[in-house]
Amino acid sequence: QKEVEQDPGPLSVPEGAIVSLNCTYSNSAFQYFMWYRQYSRKGPELLMYTYSSGNKEDGRFTAQVDKSSKYISLFIRDSQPSDSATYLCAMTGGSGGSNYKLTFGKGTLLTVNP
Amino acid sequence: EAGVTQFPSHSVIEKGQTVTLRCDPISGHDNLYWYRRVMGKEIKFLLHFVKESKQDESGMPNNRFLAERTGGTYSTLKVQPAELEDSGVYFCASSQASGWARGYTFGSGTRLTVV
Repeated sequence: QKEVEQDPGPLSVPEGAIVSLNCTYSNSAFQYFMWYRQYSRKGPELLMYTYSSGNKEDGRFTAQVDKSSKYISLFIRDSQPSDSATYLCAMTGGSGGSNYKLTFGKGTLLTVNP
Repeated sequence: EAGVTQFPSHSVIEKGQTVTLRCDPISGHDNLYWYRRVMGKEIKFLLHFVKESKQDESGMPNNRFLAERTGGTYSTLKVQPAELEDSGVYFCASSQASGWARGYTFGSGTRLTVV
């Protein structure tokens, strides 16, 4: 079983739609949860991070973590064509100094159509 | 502030040849990481430097891969001899604090194609 599962899509939505992206994971040691956005031919760029369970909001983006279900989500409200990118979930444990090592999902390719 | 710079951006080599990838981290970042994405797979951790010391190379696939960071500045990742399965995108990242991954800044990657 993979440590992190993410539906690769592709996902295509009209401009203005609400987008929901999800990942599940199996390693209960994960405590830090991140979403990265990656544009074509670029490196991943940190979008949001959350520690443990809960919600975090930043503008049009909301990250949710449910550790009891080992399930994380990213919601994008009022999606824009500029949001078109690959979205990667990533997570890491919190013990000692090992939380530098990220475990990624495969990424979901999102296209927002004007 | 300049970002993490990687070059070449793309390299095509024949099986059996040697390739060296280079990463220039953000100035002042002691921590440097290499990751790799093989086609159809997730981005996976390769290794972690703190200054010039390898802290964790548990993700290195085999002994055909050699990473160095002389002087604690730029890093190189050499693949010798390259095999077909080494094809993929190699990312470098750097951070100031090693204990928290949110400090990562990734480079744009080197796309390696072994034919």
